[in-house]
Amino acid sequence: QKEVEQNSGPLSVPEGAIASLNCTYSDRGSQSFFWYRQYSGKSPELIMFIYSNGDKEDGRFTAQLNKASQYVSLLIRDSQPSDSATYLCAVKPGAGSYQLTFGKGTKLSVIP
Amino acid sequence: GAVVSQHPSRVICKSGTSVKIECRSLDFQATTMFWYRQFPKQSLMLMATSNEGSKATYEQGVEKDKFLINHASLTLSTLTVTSAHPEDSSFYICSVARPADFYNTDTQYFGPGTRLTVL
Repeated sequence: QKEVEQNSGPLSVPEGAIASLNCTYSDRGSQSFFWYRQYSGKSPELIMFIYSNGDKEDGRFTAQLNKASQYVSLLIRDSQPSDSATYLCAVKPGAGSYQLTFGKGTKLSVIP
Repeated sequence: GAVVSQHPSRVICKSGTSVKIECRSLDFQATTMFWYRQFPKQSLMLMATSNEGSKATYEQGVEKDKFLINHASLTLSTLTVTSAHPEDSSFYICSVARPADFYNTDTQYFGPGTRLTVL
């Protein structure tokens, strides 16, 4: 069974600090990896995706992928209280399917 | 990205009635859409995959006769909760699958969700 694991948290960081969110996956054939942000009572919003080993930066967000270790992470620099949300890691198994396998999410709390 | 709408955003109904939820892809034609359900403080649960012009594919444990899905056009998929009961109260969210282009990989974009309360 394909699984995506995340620490449920809550992860608390002070405002201005770097928040580090981690995710591991079981399907070694997975090709694409996504981070979604979900505010309480709202639907998930795509933050960024990554499919090559290494780092990918977009503003204050950096996604990191290590396929050998089956590990993907999201770093949020200069964390703001508005970043407080649940972050969902999602994995796409491969070509030919749009279906994603979601982790249960990590709740992030940024303390002013 | 993709712009996805859902209607209604919130619905309250009596037990035994049926409720229809619409999901629209506003800026591209979506061959594939997904329906999810999320209970409070729980993770997303995929209910079914909706393919335009064909029958939906339901996940194990989801009753196809209770949750009717129709994807009659490339911009509209509907989910009908038939004979709703209080245990069907949940947050229902659709997503559209956008194929890869030069800038993106195949990606899912979510609608704003519909909160269903069955009394």
